[in-house]
Amino acid sequence: DAMVIQNPRYQVTQFGKPVTLSCSQTLNHNVMYWYQQKSSQAPKLLFHYYDKDFNNEADTPDNFQSRRPNTSFCFLDIRSPGLGDAAMYLCATSTRDTQTEKLFFGSGTQLSVL
Amino acid sequence: AQSVSQHNHHVILSEAASLELGCNYSYGGTVNLFWYVQYPGQHLQLLLKYFSGDPLVKGIKGFEAEFIKSKFSFNLRKPSVQWSDTAEYFCAVRKLTGGGNKLTFGTGTQLKVEL
Repeated sequence: DAMVIQNPRYQVTQFGKPVTLSCSQTLNHNVMYWYQQKSSQAPKLLFHYYDKDFNNEADTPDNFQSRRPNTSFCFLDIRSPGLGDAAMYLCATSTRDTQTEKLFFGSGTQLSVL
Repeated sequence: AQSVSQHNHHVILSEAASLELGCNYSYGGTVNLFWYVQYPGQHLQLLLKYFSGDPLVKGIKGFEAEFIKSKFSFNLRKPSVQWSDTAEYFCAVRKLTGGGNKLTFGTGTQLKVEL
């Protein structure tokens, strides 16, 4: 049973056309993350939420935004996708308990930019 | 900046061979260490983790990893690999001071086990 669900699995957009990726979770975890993973590279954290507190990584481009309307859902908005934004986007969740903390990942959304 | 290095990008082994995947990190403070695995077509999942205590940790499917603080290393091992271990393996580090829950991943090692 999927616990972190990302839709769609594959997303194609046009250069400059806004796109939204979605993530939902059934784990009731406080923390949600968005990672970007390009081919042959490490997953790179874009931002994360502690509950409703938004934490942006310093090197995340302004082109990337996120929304978390409630505990279960989190969205990644790319305002004007460029060719360099083509990547796998991974959503993950965790609890805030540092003694047991591990990340639960979704299957990812593969974004192509034409 | 904190970094995580995985030196082997692609590893090919025959079944029953022993495996060791290297992982080194650059942060000098207290850290939590993880290995995640991604089987073909599946999502990333936790293989094992080290928080404190015995530096030799055992995970699922016969994997283990040893934390050597003096070497800033957390190498993954398995005495005898199986075809089903074919996957991509990611080392990840979380620093406990000023790092929050942020994980920094290595670039991954693609393991292929041949019959």
